Amino acid sequence: AQSVTQPDIHITVSEGASLELRCNYSYGATPYLFWYVQSPGQGLQLLLKYFSGDTLVQGIKGFEAEFKRSQSSFNLRKPSVHWSDAAEYFCAVGPNAGKSTFGDGTTLTVKP
Amino acid sequence: DTGVSQNPRHKITKRGQNVTFRCDPISEHNRLYWYRQTLGQGPEFLTYFQNEAQLEKSRLLSDRFSAERPKGSFSTLEIQRTEQGDSAMYLCASSSTGNNEQFFGPGTRLTVL
Repeated sequence: AQSVTQPDIHITVSEGASLELRCNYSYGATPYLFWYVQSPGQGLQLLLKYFSGDTLVQGIKGFEAEFKRSQSSFNLRKPSVHWSDAAEYFCAVGPNAGKSTFGDGTTLTVKP
Repeated sequence: DTGVSQNPRHKITKRGQNVTFRCDPISEHNRLYWYRQTLGQGPEFLTYFQNEAQLEKSRLLSDRFSAERPKGSFSTLEIQRTEQGDSAMYLCASSSTGNNEQFFGPGTRLTVL
């Protein structure tokens, strides 16, 4: 069975500081991995995805993520956080053409 | 491309009533998914269609829940005899064959009193 763990429920960073959100997954085959962002009351917006190839993936809004098969991890990073990045972030793993399984999310607070 | 739309955005109902939600996917997408999200948790998969065929249903989808996609375009999710535990955000997503990226709608927030 596939599963996703986001160990940090809540993270607070200062504006301009770097950010890393952790994601560990369990999946029996080559995973399809995703990071989404959700603002209050809104749907999910895809930040980036990994299917194959280069293990460092660039996404929108200056985010990137690195796939590490040996650690079963897909951590999200941003070098300099902006106040508008405050939101909830979800990591997800999915099979080909089917459902995705989501972690429980990490809430990001940005201090001025 | 107007994105995935969901109606209504909010629904308040009394326990025991039936409710129906609608999802309109991106027009060229043949796959459609329903998820449920409760406070403090990530979305949980409910069911998935390819065209009009319902290919997978989660065990979360009790016999009070039914979903349809009659013409392979829009979909409806009906909950019969609602319970307070059904209060959640119901998210719809769509994708196209050969592309695993799911596009999510804004969700329908259900409150059962």
